[in-house]
Amino acid sequence: EMQLVESGGGLAQPGGSLRLSCAASGFTFSSHWMHWVRQAPGKGLVWVARINSDGISTSYADFAKGRFTISRDNAKNTLYLQMSSLRDEDTAVYYCARSREGYNFPKNYWGQGTLVTVSA
Amino acid sequence: QSVLTQPPSVSGAPGQRVTISCTGTSIDIGAGYDVHWYQQLPGTAPRLLIFGNINRPSGVPDRFSGSKSGTSASLAITGLQAEDEADYYCQSYDSSLSASVFGGGTKLTVL
Repeated sequence: EMQLVESGGGLAQPGGSLRLSCAASGFTFSSHWMHWVRQAPGKGLVWVARINSDGISTSYADFAKGRFTISRDNAKNTLYLQMSSLRDEDTAVYYCARSREGYNFPKNYWGQGTLVTVSA
Repeated sequence: QSVLTQPPSVSGAPGQRVTISCTGTSIDIGAGYDVHWYQQLPGTAPRLLIFGNINRPSGVPDRFSGSKSGTSASLAITGLQAEDEADYYCQSYDSSLSASVFGGGTKLTVL
């Protein structure tokens, strides 16, 4: 059974850091591109970042550039999102999602999400 | 960064047909990039509903259909059921930013 399980969310102070993880199982993790998508409370989905299958190529939403780093460990079947210089507006549920290799393939499987709250 | 435009809400009675529009620009949908649709039931993660403009993943009822023309796409739901009450999001791609872009989401209410 395919599974994506996010962890690492919690309360962080403005300006602080947090690292999210997404553990994958039930499929060939190293053959898929992976994404982080977030959803602020009561708001819509917003794409955050993407990483290709071997971890060499990444892309970020403008708000994430310079503050967030997406990475992966294919030996551990795990995706990461290192977040720093956190702001109140980064408060959201963060989902990891997979897609086929290549641009604009659909995100065909999603994790259940992990809540990040940024507050003093 | 582009954001696709969706109506905030739509509604319909059981058995009726509703459509949800998704309007982009020449740099995303109009550039020829596929549109995908996701359904998010209350309190759950999104799930893929339509991919590649018109295709349904296995397990998605044929009451759901997608279309695309020019800079816009649409999701149609026929034979509306109470269980269809959810938020629906369209998604495409902005090649100038190498970024996925989502619509703002549409809340479907089944009356």
